[in-house]
Amino acid sequence: QVQLVESGGGVVQPGRSLRLSCAASGLTFSSFGMHWVRQAPGKGLEWVAFISHDGSNKIYADSVKGRFTISRSNVNDTLSLQMSSLRAEDTALYYCAKDRYSSSWSFDHWGQGTLVTVSS
Amino acid sequence: QSALTQPASVSGSPGQSITISCTATNIDIELYNLVSWYQHRPGKAPRLMIYQASKRPSGVSARFSGSMSGNTASLTISGLQAEDEADYYCYSYAGNNTGLFGGGTTLAVL
Repeated sequence: QVQLVESGGGVVQPGRSLRLSCAASGLTFSSFGMHWVRQAPGKGLEWVAFISHDGSNKIYADSVKGRFTISRSNVNDTLSLQMSSLRAEDTALYYCAKDRYSSSWSFDHWGQGTLVTVSS
Repeated sequence: QSALTQPASVSGSPGQSITISCTATNIDIELYNLVSWYQHRPGKAPRLMIYQASKRPSGVSARFSGSMSGNTASLTISGLQAEDEADYYCYSYAGNNTGLFGGGTTLAVL
């Protein structure tokens, strides 16, 4: 079955960078768009970024545009999120999520999340 | 400013039916027809319950149904069970290459 396993979270100081990864298995990874979604403590879900199945199209929420970069390796079946200029408000549990197909804007499989804490 | 507005909480007794609304502001959810619903239990990954407003993925109980009328999408859960207690989120493509979640609704099964 489809498995998505995030890693790379941790505590980081404001202004610094962090790279999250999501290892995918049980699917033809190169066939599906992928997303990052986050949940700040005590808050709701927030869509962060999308990458198309072949990596040619990348879309970001306004809150992270210019600071975060989504990428993927269809050789290693891995999704990544490079986060820079981190702010306290980026503190959240970050989920990778599989699109239902190429770009359906719905998420049919999710990882368990990796926690990012931005604090001095 | 685009928004999807959900009630903060709803409750029902076992066996009853409840409906959670998701009202769109400045998003033509009927045109896009890309509203989905997610169940999120504490400590668990969110789970897709409904996509394209009314379609149910395989494995999701038929007790869950979705509908849409005008600028409001709705999730109905019939025959409430204790295991249905969770937070529920609507989500939609919001145009201009962006997606948006509603604020979430906490369902209590009393």
